[in-house]
Amino acid sequence: AQRVTQPEKLLSVFKGAPVELKCNYSYSGSPELFWYVQYSRQRLQLLLRHISRESIKGFTADLNKGETSFHLKKPFAQEEDSAMYYCALSAGGTSYGKLTFGQGTILTVHP
Amino acid sequence: EPEVTQTPSHQVTQMGQEVILRCVPISNHLYFYWYRQILGQKVEFLVSFYNNEISEKSEIFDDQFSVERPDGSNFTLKIRSTKLEDSAMYFCASSRTTGSGGAFFGQGTRLTVV
Repeated sequence: AQRVTQPEKLLSVFKGAPVELKCNYSYSGSPELFWYVQYSRQRLQLLLRHISRESIKGFTADLNKGETSFHLKKPFAQEEDSAMYYCALSAGGTSYGKLTFGQGTILTVHP
Repeated sequence: EPEVTQTPSHQVTQMGQEVILRCVPISNHLYFYWYRQILGQKVEFLVSFYNNEISEKSEIFDDQFSVERPDGSNFTLKIRSTKLEDSAMYFCASSRTTGSGGAFFGQGTRLTVV
């Protein structure tokens, strides 16, 4: 069975400070990892997927298989980054259509 | 930009009643999903649907739940006899290719069972 853990329920930083949202996973196979973001009163939006190795809105995330982590990072946080962030895992194979979510981290960026 | 739309945004129902939650996925998408989030808890997978049949379901998705794509555009989740513990936010999602990791989510329907 797969599990995703986001150890921080709340994270507060000041504008311009670096931010790192932690995500650890448990899965014996080769998972696909994703970050979703939910801005206030809006829908869940895909932010990043590890296979794309892209940077979106200044955020990056690297899959570390040794540490089973997929932390989300941004060097200089902006106030508009304040949102709920969810890490999610897809197990692939016959379970490819199923996402397992972490409990989410509320990021608040103060001016 | 195309969006997944869900109706209603909020549904209040009495325990034991049937509810149908509706979703209109993005038009060229082939894979459809329902998730739910009980207040204060994680987003949980319920079911995935492809080619007019369920491709995977979780242990939450018992006989009280069913899904249907009645007319080629809507995708519905029915709960036959609601329980208090069914109160949650229900999210519909769709994707063009397999793998809901790249899925687009609707804004959710908040179901309150009283």
